[in-house]
Amino acid sequence: AQSVSQHNHHVILSEAASLELGCNYSYGGTVNLFWYVQYPGQHLQLLLKYFSGDPLVKGIKGFEAEFIKSKFSFNLRKPSVQWSDTAEYFCAVTVVGFQKLVFGTGTRLLVSP
Amino acid sequence: EAGVAQSPRYKIIEKRQSVAFWCNPISGHATLYWYQQILGQGPKLLIQFQNNGVVDDSQLPKDRFSAERLKGVDSTLKIQPAKLEDSAVYLCASSLEQAGASGYTFGSGTRLTVV
Repeated sequence: AQSVSQHNHHVILSEAASLELGCNYSYGGTVNLFWYVQYPGQHLQLLLKYFSGDPLVKGIKGFEAEFIKSKFSFNLRKPSVQWSDTAEYFCAVTVVGFQKLVFGTGTRLLVSP
Repeated sequence: EAGVAQSPRYKIIEKRQSVAFWCNPISGHATLYWYQQILGQGPKLLIQFQNNGVVDDSQLPKDRFSAERLKGVDSTLKIQPAKLEDSAVYLCASSLEQAGASGYTFGSGTRLTVV
């Protein structure tokens, strides 16, 4: 069955530190990949998505992610985090031809000022 | 554009009671999804509608959960009777088409506590 793994459940960083959140998926077919962010008390918002083309995807707020097909990975990165990046981050995958969006368990990021 | 609207924001009920949640998707979005997000877990798809037809309800506990999307716009999700393990945030999302190629837009969710 299709599954998504996020290895880090909690991450604590100081402002200006670099961020990388891991995401791996289990399905071997063609996939669409997403990163969502949920700020405290708010709804899920799309950070970025990959459907095809350049495997390095740039999203909002300085985030980017790289799709590495051979590693079944779609890691999220930001070179310098801010206190306002404190939130929960979810990786999600759909398999092309199927409709179900499957989420990882999420990574809670705390950025200390 | 207006987002996905959900109500109520919070609900506390006793076990074995019934509860209903309402969702109004973004205008023009044909596909509507209900997700359950239990604390510490990622959202799990319960049911997906394409217009007013069900596309996927494989993970909906049909003995107690039901959902409808009359007229292909608003949707309601009902739980009857509720169990303690139903405590979660229920998220509604919508997209222009199936598979959400244009992305999914989520509502703020309804936080249900069953006591």
